[in-house]
Amino acid sequence: GQQVMQIPQYQHVQEGEDFTTYCNSSTTLSNIQWYKQRPGGHPVFLIQLVKSGEVKKQKRLTFQFGEAKKNSSLHITATQTTDVGTYFCAGLRASGTYKYIFGTGTRLKVLA
Amino acid sequence: DADVTQTPRNRITKTGKRIMLECSQTKGHDRMYWYRQDPGLGLRLIYYSFDVKDINKGEISDGYSVSRQAQAKFSLSLESAIPNQTALYFCATSDFSLGTQYFGPGTRLTVL
Repeated sequence: GQQVMQIPQYQHVQEGEDFTTYCNSSTTLSNIQWYKQRPGGHPVFLIQLVKSGEVKKQKRLTFQFGEAKKNSSLHITATQTTDVGTYFCAGLRASGTYKYIFGTGTRLKVLA
Repeated sequence: DADVTQTPRNRITKTGKRIMLECSQTKGHDRMYWYRQDPGLGLRLIYYSFDVKDINKGEISDGYSVSRQAQAKFSLSLESAIPNQTALYFCATSDFSLGTQYFGPGTRLTVL
């Protein structure tokens, strides 16, 4: 079954509000990736986190990898209508075969 | 990315029919993947291939088969389609050193 869960499943925000999605794994991860899928589009890579406790920023987006490497978050400051889409995390297990497990995704809608 | 193409983009078929979805890439990557996307379930891995002679089952391989005809081509077959295989199918590629997955535009399959 699904081993990487994301919350919330949906989020509606007013433009200018902040947004956060959380990703939780039942097993320790080697690294974690984040993807964005625009409506009607395909997933596009945003970033990869590798180190325990790592924090990376891309303009208004802040990504964190938990100390135990079992959870991660994506925070968007002051959302814009261009942020609309579904955000997925994808975790690579610390042991086993080299394949990523995708989270269930968080669909973000931004109201102008 | 235009470097990863999928054909057809849309397909409507009937229960029991054999269907092949094709994926081609010009990125020169060794690793290729087939995912299925259903609302609320995220992306689930069907099959993956790390090189031409390597084929591996993913989370949900039952009812599907694949063929890696060349480094650049990876096809997915449904031997006898059933309605619960109605979904959006994505092909992806990756380079081992980067891990980033590049997705094709997707194939929307409807099985009646």
